[in-house]
Amino acid sequence: EPEVTQTPSHQVTQMGQEVILRCVPISNHLYFYWYRQILGQKVEFLVSFYNNEISEKSEIFDDQFSVERPDGSNFTLKIRSTKLEDSAMYFCASSEGATSNYGYTFGSGTRLTVV
Amino acid sequence: TQLLEQSPQFLSIQEGENLTVYCNSSSVFSSLQWYRQEPGEGPVLLVTVVTGGEVKKLKRLTFQFGDARKDSSLHITAAQPGDTGLYLCAGARGGTASKLTFGTGTRLQVTL
Repeated sequence: EPEVTQTPSHQVTQMGQEVILRCVPISNHLYFYWYRQILGQKVEFLVSFYNNEISEKSEIFDDQFSVERPDGSNFTLKIRSTKLEDSAMYFCASSEGATSNYGYTFGSGTRLTVV
Repeated sequence: TQLLEQSPQFLSIQEGENLTVYCNSSSVFSSLQWYRQEPGEGPVLLVTVVTGGEVKKLKRLTFQFGDARKDSSLHITAAQPGDTGLYLCAGARGGTASKLTFGTGTRLQVTL
């Protein structure tokens, strides 16, 4: 069964450093998303991406965050200057069609720890 | 802010029992999705319901979307230990690539 692949599975970084989280969505999917889940809390929306541009972003997704689809297969999330509160599981997801009718396929996540 | 409240938060039952998990909001959603999440993994889609009043069955799991599209329920018949996990509902408002608002989650444990 097709799956969304995320790398790395774990990342430890020092506060203030830049990190790039990588995702390979399912090949025929057109819609891409990043979510995060702080330990013990709800899954929270960060950003959605369609047709090579951001469709929607949350208040969490400030100027420190950016997304890119550099080569037609990878989908990356960059955090420019990490803060302690960025520590969380980051999930990439993709869907075949619009959110209302199509569920997402989530990756296994990247656990980001900022120290 | 759209919120989805799930109840109960925790449920511990014995194998063979039936259970229902509820997902409620004051907001209308264009669709409701149910996911199951294992520790350290991403959510896995179980079902999407899009029409008010819709009922979908997936083996022993029955999902219902409320008539007003503000609430949903998940009913499990004859629970098995393999059903143990975190169940999440998530609502979509509509639009091309709109976000999912996730519920607070229901942690289910089924024991022998």
